[in-house]
Amino acid sequence: DAKTTQPPSMDCAEGRAANLPCNHSTISGNEYVYWYRQIHSQGPQYIIHGLKNNETNEMASLIITEDRKSSTLILPHATLRDTAVYYCIVSPSISNFGNEKLTFGTGTRLTIIP
Amino acid sequence: DGGITQSPKYLFRKEGQNVTLSCEQNLNHDAMYWYRQDPGQGLRLIYYSQIVNDFQKGDIAEGYSVSREKKESFPLTVTSAQKNPTAFYLCASIGLNYGYTFGSGTRLTVV
Repeated sequence: DAKTTQPPSMDCAEGRAANLPCNHSTISGNEYVYWYRQIHSQGPQYIIHGLKNNETNEMASLIITEDRKSSTLILPHATLRDTAVYYCIVSPSISNFGNEKLTFGTGTRLTIIP
Repeated sequence: DGGITQSPKYLFRKEGQNVTLSCEQNLNHDAMYWYRQDPGQGLRLIYYSQIVNDFQKGDIAEGYSVSREKKESFPLTVTSAQKNPTAFYLCASIGLNYGYTFGSGTRLTVV
């Protein structure tokens, strides 16, 4: 699976949009980009995923560049409860799920400032 | 509700003692994973299983053992051979739509 690079930490003011970048320059054509977040002492929680098109759900938006080498997770109106570690991972194709061991890096520690 | 249940939430182990962490899922997922997380660190893969009665070592399997006798269950045993077992342990399974689903974790402390 492709590796990802994320900044170790970021701050964002409450109520503003939080933009978290992820670099995945070695991503393969059939690999998805997934975002998870981990609030202290809990298991990571799924946020959103995408292949090549931009995606939006009730939690966030995912913007994937045209060459798919990087992506940005956007939390449109950050709240204090969004303070967490955010992980960007790249997975094999859906049909191949479970056939490779996936790795989580250290992610980005996002702190929402009141 | 479908999900993954890990138990216990907190576990204390004496040095030299084996302990088993439970992980049960009712999501009908085939693949299950065990990760270890140390303070301020990312997740490191211990073992994973793609199908019943089969499992593979991850990056830090030494001192751990697993079994996969049922699709729903993937228990992890931390043996006395694991020299530094104090950590947060996470179990996960994989489904088609949302990738990983994680349990709420077990915090193991050696006393």
